[in-house]
Amino acid sequence: GAVVSQHPSWVICKSGTSVKIECRSLDFQATTMFWYRQFPKQSLMLMATSNEGSKATYEQGVEKDKFLINHASLTLSTLTVTSAHPEDSSFYICSAREVGRLYTDTQYFGPGTRLTVL
Amino acid sequence: RKEVEQDPGPFNVPEGATVAFNCTYSNSASQSFFWYRQDCRKEPKLLMSVYSSGNEDGRFTAQLNRASQYISLLIRDSKLSDSATYLCVVRLNTGGFKTIFGAGTRLFVKA
Repeated sequence: GAVVSQHPSWVICKSGTSVKIECRSLDFQATTMFWYRQFPKQSLMLMATSNEGSKATYEQGVEKDKFLINHASLTLSTLTVTSAHPEDSSFYICSAREVGRLYTDTQYFGPGTRLTVL
Repeated sequence: RKEVEQDPGPFNVPEGATVAFNCTYSNSASQSFFWYRQDCRKEPKLLMSVYSSGNEDGRFTAQLNRASQYISLLIRDSKLSDSATYLCVVRLNTGGFKTIFGAGTRLFVKA
């Protein structure tokens, strides 16, 4: 089946630094990737939808200047958490939708990145 | 009101038991329905899609009631390896591809 990778799998950083998370579709092209955030014992919350070659669409309440998304190619989307603070500590998960299958019902999830901001 | 609501549990059941999870959704634009499984500190993985006619995959049976906006998952003959959080997932038909996750129901299967 389709595989999505994320890097890094976990990261610990100091408050105020920026952290970049990469999401790659390994064996298919993805025009659309999604970024989710999950706090402990809570649901996955969609942060933004990333479309290749265009600006990301952010969900209400998500600061686009804080969470920078770049989807420069059909296999790579990046999420940069700028000036991270302890409240940004969370599990960030990306998922990808395969090109050419408009009505596909399957989202392929990356393994997630656990961010801890000290 | 949350768009997708689930009983958070936890459900503690012995091996071999039958357990049922329920889920309700509020958005009438909901088009597709799924159950995902999420293990601790891991990404969600698709367990099964849910069809209006009901569908079964081994020990797992999913049901959908569009009129009541209700989805269920039945697990028969529970195994220790079934211990996980089960997420009810709804995809909206809004011209885009938007997926809404429930908060999940935690299941612990005991020996």
